[in-house]
Amino acid sequence: QKEVEQNSGPLSVPEGAIASLNCTYSDRGSQSFFWYRQYSGKSPELIMSIYSNGDKEDGRFTAQLNKASQYVSLLIRDSQPSDSATYLCAVKGGSGGSNYKLTFGKGTLLTVNP
Amino acid sequence: ETGVTQSPTHLIKTRGQQVTLRCSSQSGHNTVSWYQQALGQGPQFIFQYYREEENGRGNFPPRFSGLQFPNYSSELNVNALELDDSALYLCASSTGTGAREQYFGPGTRLTVT
Repeated sequence: QKEVEQNSGPLSVPEGAIASLNCTYSDRGSQSFFWYRQYSGKSPELIMSIYSNGDKEDGRFTAQLNKASQYVSLLIRDSQPSDSATYLCAVKGGSGGSNYKLTFGKGTLLTVNP
Repeated sequence: ETGVTQSPTHLIKTRGQQVTLRCSSQSGHNTVSWYQQALGQGPQFIFQYYREEENGRGNFPPRFSGLQFPNYSSELNVNALELDDSALYLCASSTGTGAREQYFGPGTRLTVT
């Protein structure tokens, strides 16, 4: 079983719609959860972090965490063409004592159509 | 505040050669982590440096080695390059080994022919 799993996509949504990105993780001891945005040919940019169960909102972005289900999601409201990118889910910490490294999924490619 | 910087931007090497990549951490950050991102994959953790010592290592062979300097900048060295080493190499800095958030530099694109 892969440690962090994401649907590779592509996920295509019309401009103004809500984009929903999902991620599951295998290590129940994981403590910190992140969403990075990566434009083609660029490096990952941290856009959201969440550490406790529930929702966290920042502008048009909402991260949701459910540790019991080992599930993290990112909602992007009022999607814009500039949101078109690969979204990487990353997890930190776990039962193996690996609190120093990020473990990434393969990423989901989001395309927002004008 | 200065962000994470990396050099060079792009590099082309021949199989069997050696390469050194460089990273300067963000102002106020004392920990540097290196990741390898192959095309179409998420970044994979190589190792982390804190106080000039390797703090943790991922599943990479010993020909991947690193250094951290007193000013917290870091180098990644790869010996005996293989074709599969072609990737984007990312440096991330943070305020400590257990710091929650890591911030990435622009990366170095390495092509091995």
